[in-house]
Amino acid sequence: QSVLTQPPSVSGAPGQRVTVSCTGSSSNIGAGYDVHWYQQLPGTAPKLLIYGNSNRPSGVPDRFSGSKSGTSASLAISGLQAEDEAEYYCQSYDSSLSGSVFGGGTKLTVL
Amino acid sequence: QVQLVQSGAEVKKPGASVKVSCKTSGYTLSGYYMHWVRQAPGQGLEWMGWINPNSGGTNYAQKFQDRVTMTWDTSISTAYMELSRLRSDDTAVYYCARLHSGRYSDYWGQGTLVTVSS
Repeated sequence: QSVLTQPPSVSGAPGQRVTVSCTGSSSNIGAGYDVHWYQQLPGTAPKLLIYGNSNRPSGVPDRFSGSKSGTSASLAISGLQAEDEAEYYCQSYDSSLSGSVFGGGTKLTVL
Repeated sequence: QVQLVQSGAEVKKPGASVKVSCKTSGYTLSGYYMHWVRQAPGQGLEWMGWINPNSGGTNYAQKFQDRVTMTWDTSISTAYMELSRLRSDDTAVYYCARLHSGRYSDYWGQGTLVTVSS
């Protein structure tokens, strides 16, 4: 059971927009800690996609965006492409656990 | 450029220990902590802890507190993660990941598969 809750899967057709939610609690996201998102392609290490809730590292397309409100955060992917098919993870800090926490991951399928 | 290169795959018997290394290059060590994260087959990411290369200070996830030791050899810019009393459910890919501003991991190692089997 992950501290941050993500839907197990989402899907969309090429060109569409999808969102991935990440729900936490008052000891992590709700306490004001930043949320970060990672993309993991099969058989590879995770790659930083969004940091500090809504910032994109250099090289990440602006099709990817992040937001945070209350005890939740969201990753939005617009203009879906086949290469976006991957697992997506959110991460934050939890004050009760005094450490980092991850969501359980969401598998994105491009139909 | 920043690189984190981990040691190769390991096969261990239950009860044994494993030590995974993570050699860093391309950046100044002192500015960044190092996370260790693992991923069991078909499962999600699990945070194990972090180490401060300046002080050697560590923060371990409660789950691993009595079995994990994270260290750093600054002379060769290499971080280590040792997990003892291995069980079959420790079979996983172990990643080191540079922690930027104490918040997120901007660079990851390629991962080290540790298989625990009798």
